[in-house]
Formats: sequence, C-alpha cells, structure tokens
Amino acid sequence: AQKVTQAQTEISVVEKEDVTLDCVYETRDTTYYLFWYKQPPSGELVFLIRRNSFDEQNEISGRYSWNFQKSTSSFNFTITASQVVDSAVYFCALSENFGNEKLTFGTGTRLTIIP
Amino acid sequence: TAGITQAPTSQILAAGRSMTLRCTQDMRHNAMYWYRQDLGLGLRLIHYSNTAGTTGKGEVPDGYSVSRANTDDFPLTLASAVPSQTSVYFCASSDGGPYTEAFFGQGTRLTVV
Repeated sequence: AQKVTQAQTEISVVEKEDVTLDCVYETRDTTYYLFWYKQPPSGELVFLIRRNSFDEQNEISGRYSWNFQKSTSSFNFTITASQVVDSAVYFCALSENFGNEKLTFGTGTRLTIIP
Repeated sequence: TAGITQAPTSQILAAGRSMTLRCTQDMRHNAMYWYRQDLGLGLRLIHYSNTAGTTGKGEVPDGYSVSRANTDDFPLTLASAVPSQTSVYFCASSDGGPYTEAFFGQGTRLTVV
C-alpha cells in the first residue's frame, strides 16, 4: 500500500532563512508520481510540482527546489530565503501506476515564517 | 474561469440529517475527487470518479455516497450525518487522473452537532 510520511508537523523559521520540508514515501510500484501542494491560510490547495519515478533530476523554480532520491524514497522541498508569504501548510502526495486510482497525501507540514 | 466551485462554503448540520455537498467544475476534466481534511490526518480520499458514469471508493468511503451523472458535477451526499463527519471537505478534479495536477475547490467546512 502506498504511504506518505511528513514527519515534521510544524516548522518555524525567521524570514530569509532557508528551510527544508521532508517527505518520505512507500510504494511497491516502479512507476509512480510525487507531488507537492501548498495550502495558504486562505484554505485552497495549490499545486507546486509533479515528479515521476523515472525522473530523478532535481528541480529549481525560483526560491523553491526539490530533491528526489529514490534510494531513500524521499522527495524533499527546500525554500531558499524564505518570505512571510511562504507561510502555509505544505502537503506531499503520491500516486501509483494505473490500477490504483488515488492520490495519497501526507499529513502536511505547517510552515510559519517569522518576520 | 471559475475552475471548481463548491457549495456551501460552510454548514452546521444536526446529527442524523442528510446533506449534499455540491461540486461543479468548468474545465471538462475527466477525473474528480472528494477529500476530507482533518487536523493531523492530512487529506483522505472519500470517493473518486475517473469519468462520467463511474465512481470508486477511496480510503474513507463509509457514510458517504457520490454520483457522476455528467462531466461537470460530482455531488457528495451524507445520508445520515454523524459528529465524526465534522471536517473540511475538498472537491478536486484533474485532466489525467491521479497522475496529473489536481485542481481544488475552496472547501466546505461542515460541522455536525
């Protein structure tokens, strides 16, 4: 069965610090997809990134970067030079190959950026 | 473009009463989902539909039912609400099933008393 673990329940950092959000997943499939979503205080969930299991290249988008390591089943998310607007709950999620039609979320990490 | 619209935004419901949470999307996405969000538990899938006319059970389907009569609408019904169904409910859709980006509604906060 697929499972996503976000061990960090809450993190607080001072503005401009870098912060890494951890995500560890479990799956028996060789083909799967990993996602990160952001839920700001307004409540809606916003898609950030999708990565498939065959693409282990790290990705950088502005201040955001993602480190995908199949060897440790991790898909960690780093925010560089954090800003107050980054304060949100961040969810990591996993979907497996065809036949298992669901997207499984972790329990989320609440990130607070202190001005 | 509205994307996904959920109604109502919030509701207080007496235990034992029935209620339908509405979800409409205007993106013509094939797949739609209902999740509930509870503190410390993340988002858990209730039911899903890969295409109009088909539905499937997610992780926590008991006490809920869905229908998918057309592409745009995916209502979630609580036949006889219980306090444990107090939660925030999110409807979502995606063009290519659970392997592609999901778009979420703004959520419905339901309190069962």
